[in-house]
This record gives sequence, C-alpha cells and structure tokens, in this order.
Amino acid sequence: GAVVSQHPSRVICKSGTSVKIECRSLDFQATTMFWYRQFPKKSLMLMATSNEGSKATYEQGVEKDKFLINHASLTLSTLTVTSAHPEDSSFYICSARDQRTGDGYTFGSGTRLTVV
Amino acid sequence: AQSVAQPEDQVNVAEGNPLTVKCTYSVSGNPYLFWYVQYPNRGLQFLLKYITGDNLVKGSYGFEAEFNKSQTSFHLKKPSALVSDSALYFCAVRDLGSGGSTLGRLYFGRGTQLTVWP
Repeated sequence: GAVVSQHPSRVICKSGTSVKIECRSLDFQATTMFWYRQFPKKSLMLMATSNEGSKATYEQGVEKDKFLINHASLTLSTLTVTSAHPEDSSFYICSARDQRTGDGYTFGSGTRLTVV
Repeated sequence: AQSVAQPEDQVNVAEGNPLTVKCTYSVSGNPYLFWYVQYPNRGLQFLLKYITGDNLVKGSYGFEAEFNKSQTSFHLKKPSALVSDSALYFCAVRDLGSGGSTLGRLYFGRGTQLTVWP
C-alpha cells in the first residue's frame, strides 16, 4: 500500500531557530499534500495544502511566512517552521493523497516539535 | 460546506463488549466518509471509507461502519472490543466542492478517545 515517510519523528530546537520537516511519498506520486497541526487531545487542524510546482494554500490564521511550505517534486513536501517559539511546540502531521486508489489518503507518522 | 461531528469525547467499554463510536456529517452532495485511528505520538491509520455502494462498510481490524443517509450518520462499530483497540478515532469527510485549492481536503471531527478495559 501507499507509504508516506515523515522525518524527523521528534525534534527539539532552541527558540529563534528554524526547523524543517520532510514528508515523502515513497511509492506513489502526490501532486497534493496536506500539513496538519495537532494539539494535545485535540483534532487535527489543517494548516495548508501543498501543491506540487505551485504555492501552497494556507488556511485562515496560519502565517505563511512562519510556516514555509515547499513542494518541489511529486514525492516531497517540506514544512519549515521559521524563528520557532515555544508556542510552536506541537505535533505536526503530513498527508498525501494517492490518486491511484481514487480516494486514499495516507498519513505520515508525525513530528513532535519541542521548542525550548 | 462539509463538516463532521463526533459528539463523544470519550467512549469506555469492557473488553469483549460491542463498541460504537458516533459520527454525523453535513455535506452538500454525496458524502465521501472516512474513519481513521491514531495511537499515541503516531500518524493516522486508515480504517475504512464509504464512497458508494453497500451501506455497511467493513474495514481493518474487524471494524465496520454503517452509512445512514436519513440520519446523516456514519457510526463506527466493532462486535467485540479488544484492549488494543484503545486509541483516538477520527471521522472525516472529503471536500468535493466546486473546484479550487480546497478540493480533496479532509474535514475531521474532533476525535473520540476509546478506552477498552480488561
């Protein structure tokens, strides 16, 4: 089945630094990927829709200059948290749509970001 | 606009008993509905989906869900719960929309924490 690899699984960084999270579709091409943020015991909040070869579409209230998304190839999307602050600490999950299966969405295993 | 509601934050059942996790939806047009499960510090795992066809959908790990159009519900069920089923469960509906950048996104319910005790 479709596999999405997300790295790193866990990262700790200092305030003010930037962190890059990668999301790769391993055995299929994903023209569209989705980035979510999940707070403890809460649902997933869609941050942005990443489209290969074009600009990402951000949800209302999400700072595009803070959460930089790049989808340069059909198998890779990256989320960069710039100038991270403790309030950015969260669980970030990516998802890719496998169009081969029509309506299948495959999720990465998530990245636990802790900003100290 | 598409949306789903999971009215229960928490569901507790004894092992061996049947379980139900509720989900209702609101869509314009035909719904594409999904159930996912999340274990701690992990991504979401697909359980099952309803696109069209039989109202009773069978999925992974013995789970099934019944699509009820008149009640706009898509409840997740399992005849006999296992302790290992304890996890966070999400219902989702796909945005079919009229095109544009949101096409294909999933709208999630807030999640239901299922606890199965021995």
